[in-house]
Amino acid sequence: GENVEQHPSTLSVQEGDSAVIKCTYSDSASNYFPWYKQELGKGPQLIIDIRSNVGEKKDQRIAVTLNKTAKHFSLHITETQPEDSAVYFCAASQSGGSYIPTFGRGTSLIVHP
Amino acid sequence: GAGVSQTPSNKVTEKGKYVELRCDPISGHTALYWYRQSLGQGPEFLIYFQGTGAADDSGLPNDRFFAVRPEGSVSTLKIQRTERGDSAVYLCASSKQGKSNQPQHFGDGTRLSIL
Repeated sequence: GENVEQHPSTLSVQEGDSAVIKCTYSDSASNYFPWYKQELGKGPQLIIDIRSNVGEKKDQRIAVTLNKTAKHFSLHITETQPEDSAVYFCAASQSGGSYIPTFGRGTSLIVHP
Repeated sequence: GAGVSQTPSNKVTEKGKYVELRCDPISGHTALYWYRQSLGQGPEFLIYFQGTGAADDSGLPNDRFFAVRPEGSVSTLKIQRTERGDSAVYLCASSKQGKSNQPQHFGDGTRLSIL
């Protein structure tokens, strides 16, 4: 089955700095890669996703890049704000079938004001 | 609200007891997923429903776990003879049709504590 590794487990930055979270996956058949933000006591919320036919996607301060050859993808947050502090999860899945994503173990992002 | 609703938000019970966790998906979403999330981990898949049927239950850890969705909307996750290792946050998610171009929307989970 799919295996998703996520790094770092904790990331501490100053407000205004950029933050980068990296994930690798093992199954070359995976073609859909969502990113979720989870605040304390809440469920994960989708913030951005990318499909394997695209190398990069951007939405305001967040962007995701995908390298299919190397089987890794990254989340980039620019101009971080204290409200960006949360746990971020990457995931990988395949279209078709039951679309069950495999999640990484999460990155706790702390943005210091 | 229009989001996924899970009840109760917290459940504390003794080892050996039976528990039921409820999920109300977003109206019109035919796909429903249950996950279990332990502290410091990502969500782990348990079971997936497409309509009323369990399309994939490969994530259920053993036969103490069972889930139903009799009318294709509300789902109940049932755990028999609970063990301390069952303590976790149980998350429910729904999507329009269970296809990769339709993202999953999560509820806030039920925090289950087995004493």
